[in-house]
Amino acid sequence: EVQVLESGGGLVQPGGSLRLSCAASGFTFTNYAMNWVRQAPGKGLEWVSSINGNGGSTYYADSVKGRFTISRDNSKNTLFLQMNSLRGEDTAVYYCAKDGGQSGTYFDYWGQGTLVTVSS
Amino acid sequence: QLVLTQSPSASASLGASVNLTCTLGSWHSSYAIAWHQQQPDQGPRYLMKVNSDGSHIKGAGIPDRFSGSSSGTERYLTISSLQPEDEADYYCQTWGTGKWVFGGGTKLTVL
Repeated sequence: EVQVLESGGGLVQPGGSLRLSCAASGFTFTNYAMNWVRQAPGKGLEWVSSINGNGGSTYYADSVKGRFTISRDNSKNTLFLQMNSLRGEDTAVYYCAKDGGQSGTYFDYWGQGTLVTVSS
Repeated sequence: QLVLTQSPSASASLGASVNLTCTLGSWHSSYAIAWHQQQPDQGPRYLMKVNSDGSHIKGAGIPDRFSGSSSGTERYLTISSLQPEDEADYYCQTWGTGKWVFGGGTKLTVL
């Protein structure tokens, strides 16, 4: 059974940093791109970042470019999102999503999310 | 510009059918999309991928009541025999070179 499980959310002050993790199981991790999607309170889904199967290609939404870094450890089946210079508008539930392919297509499995709150 | 447009809300009666629409920009009529369901206080769930020719690939365990189709720049999600648990937000998603986009979502109310 495919599972992705996020962790690492919490309360952080503006300008601070946080690292999210996503533990994956039930599929050959290195064969699939992985993604981060967020949802601000009461709002819709917003794509944040994607990484291909071997980690050699990464992509970012304009709203997080230069502040967030996506990475993966294929030996540990784990996806990461390093978030720096956090702002109030980054407050959201962050979802990890498995891709349907190796290079980035649609998202076919989702986690339950981890809440990030940026506030003083 | 890769854009998806959805109506903010839809409603239908218990046991009836409903069609939800996701519209691509005019330059992207060949693009596939994916439909995702988000029930209250839950993470999203992948329903299906819908290709430009109307063929679709469902996710694991998605009931036969859910189907997809296409016409031009429009992609459809049809839910038949509506159940109470179908009351949820429905998002479409597409992708291009280095960019992934979601529609604004449709909130479906089952009357």
